[in-house]
Amino acid sequence: GAGVSQTPSNKVTEKGKYVELRCDPISGHTALYWYRQSLGQGPEFLIYFQGTGAADDSGLPNDRFFAVRPEGSVSTLKIQRTERGDSAVYLCASSLTGEGVEQFFGPGTRLTVL
Amino acid sequence: AQSVAQPEDQVNVAEGNPLTVKCTYSVSGNPYLFWYVQYPNRGLQFLLKYITGDNLVKGSYGFEAEFNKSQTSFHLKKPSALVSDSALYFCAVRDMGRAGKSTFGDGTTLTVKP
Repeated sequence: GAGVSQTPSNKVTEKGKYVELRCDPISGHTALYWYRQSLGQGPEFLIYFQGTGAADDSGLPNDRFFAVRPEGSVSTLKIQRTERGDSAVYLCASSLTGEGVEQFFGPGTRLTVL
Repeated sequence: AQSVAQPEDQVNVAEGNPLTVKCTYSVSGNPYLFWYVQYPNRGLQFLLKYITGDNLVKGSYGFEAEFNKSQTSFHLKKPSALVSDSALYFCAVRDMGRAGKSTFGDGTTLTVKP
């Protein structure tokens, strides 16, 4: 079946602008995760959804970052007042549940803030 | 708090030789442990996991990993490396008592030479 998809694949924006990144998880997966990966580093956890609710948002770096999953499927990561330091690849993953199971990753959205 | 260390940025082996990619971890409770592989221009793919039970875990593409609780390690191994195994490998840990959040290492680039 279809894997995790993310749109756009690339996003270039200017400092101070607002961006939205979208994630379509695998159908039936209740858990959804957002990570950020900078060059030469591993994925850094941002937020975890179980169904519609954010079960753990401890990785969001500040209040400019926000994510939603209103119907328990598609999720949107929103970044306000973007800064150059936000430039990274944003990864989305989903899993059947949140407990002890592997995550299936999307291809990522490469965000560049000029 | 949970953390992962992959002490080698790069591992080079000759085709046909055994390979080991090292990983050590730290968690407050009992760990779930994972290995993922990332090929160029592709998303992270799950290789194998340790949840409970046998310390030796077998996964995709002939890879295996050994959980060592006393040494807090989860090294990835393969008896005979292939050129096509060349990729970036990530180890990840999750605290069994904390659903969702996984912490990743910074990755090890494996190069298998013919």
